[in-house]
Amino acid sequence: EAQVTQNPRYLITVTGKKLTVTCSQNMNHEYMSWYRQDPGLGLRQIYYSMNVEVTDKGDVPEGYKVSRKEKRNFPLILESPSPNQTSLYFCASSLFLGDRNSPLHFGNGTRLTVT
Amino acid sequence: RKEVEQDPGPFNVPEGATVAFNCTYSNSASQSFFWYRQDCRKEPKLLMSVYSSGNEDGRFTAQLNRASQYISLLIRDSKLSDSATYLCVVRDTGRRALTFGSGTRLQVQP
Repeated sequence: EAQVTQNPRYLITVTGKKLTVTCSQNMNHEYMSWYRQDPGLGLRQIYYSMNVEVTDKGDVPEGYKVSRKEKRNFPLILESPSPNQTSLYFCASSLFLGDRNSPLHFGNGTRLTVT
Repeated sequence: RKEVEQDPGPFNVPEGATVAFNCTYSNSASQSFFWYRQDCRKEPKLLMSVYSSGNEDGRFTAQLNRASQYISLLIRDSKLSDSATYLCVVRDTGRRALTFGSGTRLQVQP
């Protein structure tokens, strides 16, 4: 089954404790992206990757890191989480960006709470 | 001004009603337009792309008005299962990202 898999689904952590949210897709997609969703602000892009070893900042990259060593995986790293990073996070992928025949496929989300 | 703006709603409509949402975008160079649907606490899913000439998929019709820089979504014969948040999504020329509106919440009531 074609899918984007994120783990974990729920995570509660403390300020400053490094964490990684994993994202994997099995559709051989080139484009992958991370979003955070907060009430009233909608989905905001954190980082994206156009292909292996090609990553770039989105609109809200501060406090996050990513890597794209393999096509299928795009982990999101919070080196020193802070309470303002409490949010719902989505990973997404598509064959090509913005092509009408290549929609974004989303993972089922990671709800992160930083205390 | 937000790049993509939507009325947050909620729109409360009875089953069988016709409801329409608008979405405005600020960049006249925007090139691709989409409507996504998001159920509560779930991931967004593509509902339909929006073509310049307008397009229909069953009970759903999408329209694009480039002159006024807005897109619309019309839902006919609303079903309870249409209750969700509808996200307007725009891609700008040369920008390697899709910009999401904050969403319009629809609640269809029996």
